[in-house]
Amino acid sequence: SYELTQPPSVSVSPGQTASITCSGDKLGDKFVCWYQQKPGQSPVVVIYQDIKRPSGIPERFSGSNSGSTATLTISGTQAMDEADYYCQAWDISTAVVFGGGTKLTVL
Amino acid sequence: QVQLVQSGAEVKKPGASVKVSCKASGNTFTSYVIHWVRQAPGQRLEWMGWINAGSGSTKYSQKFQDRVTITRDTSTSTAYMELSSLRSEDAAVYYCARSLSDAFDIWGRGTTVTVSS
Repeated sequence: SYELTQPPSVSVSPGQTASITCSGDKLGDKFVCWYQQKPGQSPVVVIYQDIKRPSGIPERFSGSNSGSTATLTISGTQAMDEADYYCQAWDISTAVVFGGGTKLTVL
Repeated sequence: QVQLVQSGAEVKKPGASVKVSCKASGNTFTSYVIHWVRQAPGQRLEWMGWINAGSGSTKYSQKFQDRVTITRDTSTSTAYMELSSLRSEDAAVYYCARSLSDAFDIWGRGTTVTVSS
């Protein structure tokens, strides 16, 4: 079955740039979404189709996807960005797959 | 704005079944694809399956396909997820979500299922 791998945790200082990676076999051939989940809340999509940002999502969130790695980048990270982030892709065999999640700490 | 309203928390015994509902607001339910995703405490999101609310066609994760049934009632704009033969490891928050443009753009607030004897 298809798998997506994320680092368990990433730390960033306020105002700096955070990068969260998501790796999978030929991931660049698939569309990737990114979700933000804060404690006790439902996930919220922050990036879809690799690079698109839904309305209401700040411009500091951006995405890329090439080769076997997709990356979520948060520029000028703020304390409110502290959350768990999950990547997600569609696969012909597995249908929908999520990464293991990355806990972003802003300190 | 479209909302997905889920049913309340459930407590079930091992071996029992649970059925969770997800009611959509608005009048375009039959154009939706509704997914079910669960999250055990401290664990990752785990996709279970989807239903095309218009046609009723479904697709399930291989992990759950022997135990899960997803249905819908177009007259009430409600999708359902039933999981049978519950075990302790099925204790989780169960979410319904709509997919649009390859993303899960709208999520329910989740339904907590506790499995305990």
